Amino acid sequence: SYVLTQPPSVSVAPGKTARITCGGNNIGSKSVHWYQQKPGQAPVLVIYYDSDRPSGIPERFSGSNSGNTATLTISRVEAGDEADYYCQVWDSSSDHRGYWVFGGGTKLTVL
Amino acid sequence: QVQLVESGGGVVQPGGSLRLSCAASGFTFSSYGMHWVRQAPGKGLEWVAFIRYDGSNKYYADSVKGRFTISRDNSKNTLYLQMNSLRAEDTAVYYCAKDPGVTTSWFDPWGQGTLVTVSS
Repeated sequence: SYVLTQPPSVSVAPGKTARITCGGNNIGSKSVHWYQQKPGQAPVLVIYYDSDRPSGIPERFSGSNSGNTATLTISRVEAGDEADYYCQVWDSSSDHRGYWVFGGGTKLTVL
Repeated sequence: QVQLVESGGGVVQPGGSLRLSCAASGFTFSSYGMHWVRQAPGKGLEWVAFIRYDGSNKYYADSVKGRFTISRDNSKNTLYLQMNSLRAEDTAVYYCAKDPGVTTSWFDPWGQGTLVTVSS
């Protein structure tokens, strides 16, 4: 089954730029989606189709995807951005397992 | 606005059964596929099951195949997850989520979740 690898944690100072990576074999050929989950809350979609933002998501959130790495970038980080972030893809591999796959999650800490 | 409300969670003994429900509102429920996703305490997200808008196709994660059954009642705008032969490792918050209806899909929005605890 397809595996997505995220760093367990990323730390950033307020006002700086945070980059959270999501690694996978030729992930650039897939569409990557990103979720933000704050403690005790349900996940919220922040990026879909690699780089599109749902309505209501600040422009500070952006995404890219190429080769074996997708990246969620959060500019001008605020204290309220502290959360767990998950990448996700839909896997259409031939063995038909794990259709929808999540990365292990990255805890973003705002220093 | 789109709203998803899960219910039915609780404490169940290993080997027991439980049925979760997800009441949907704010969109044409019968036009969209739906998912169940779970999250064990302190762990990451795990996709569990998907059902097409008309119930014609259902897909399951290997970890629940043969034990869980996803279903829907479009007349009641409700999604279900029947969970049998429950194990300790099924302990998790279970979320329902709407599928956008396109290939390479995502989950949006999510319900607030319902906690299932499998313990003797």
